[in-house]
Amino acid sequence: AQSVTQPDIHITVSEGASLELRCNYSYGATPYLFWYVQSPGQGLQLLLKYFSGDTLVQGIKGFEAEFKRSQSSFNLRKPSVHWSDAAEYFCAVPSMDTGRRALTFGSGTRLQVQP
Amino acid sequence: DGGITQSPKYLFRKEGQNVTLSCEQNLNHDAMYWYRQDPGQGLRLIYYSQIVNDFQKGDIAEGYSVSREKKESFPLTVTSAQKNPTAFYLCASSEAGGSTDTQYFGPGTRLTVL
Repeated sequence: AQSVTQPDIHITVSEGASLELRCNYSYGATPYLFWYVQSPGQGLQLLLKYFSGDTLVQGIKGFEAEFKRSQSSFNLRKPSVHWSDAAEYFCAVPSMDTGRRALTFGSGTRLQVQP
Repeated sequence: DGGITQSPKYLFRKEGQNVTLSCEQNLNHDAMYWYRQDPGQGLRLIYYSQIVNDFQKGDIAEGYSVSREKKESFPLTVTSAQKNPTAFYLCASSEAGGSTDTQYFGPGTRLTVL
C-alpha cells in the first residue's frame, strides 16, 4: 500500500528565510505527487503537482518542489518566506486502494513564521 | 464564482443523534469526496463518488453514510454508530476523478459531539 511521510510536525522559520518541507513516499508504481496548503480552519488549496517530465515543479505563491526518485522524496521549497505562508502543508499521492481516484495524505507540517 | 460550499460551518451533536453535513459544488465536476481531519493525522478518506448514483467506501466509512442523487450534491450523514465523530470534515471535488486531477476543497464543517 502507498504511504506518505512528513517527518516534521512543526517548523518555525523567520520571515525572509528559506524554507524546505520534507515529504517521503512509498508507492508501488510511478508516483503522482501533490502539495496542498491549509490555512487555519479552512479547506485545502493545491500548491503544485508532479506527474512526469521535469523533476523541478513550480507552483503558486512562489513555491517549488523537486521530485527525487532515488530518495523517494518530493520536498517543498520557498526561497523567502512571508508571514502569510504560515499554514499547514500536506503532501499527497493517489490512493492505490481507490484505483488512484482519491488521495492519501501525509500527516502535515505546520509552519510558523516569526517576524 | 465557481466553488464548493459546505454547511454548516459548525455543528454540535448530542450523542445518539444522526447529523447530515451538506456539500454542494457548481464546478460541474463528476467526482466528489469526503475526508475527515483529526489533529496530527492528516486527512482520511470516508467516501467518494465518481458519478451520480454511485459511491464507494474509503478507509474509514464505518458509522457514515452518503448519497449522490445529484451531480452537484454529496451529503454526508454521521450516524450514531460513529463512536468518535468529533472532527473537521472536508468535502472535495475533481473534474473526472482521475489520478492526475486536482481536488478542490470546501471550507469544511467542524462537528463537535456534546
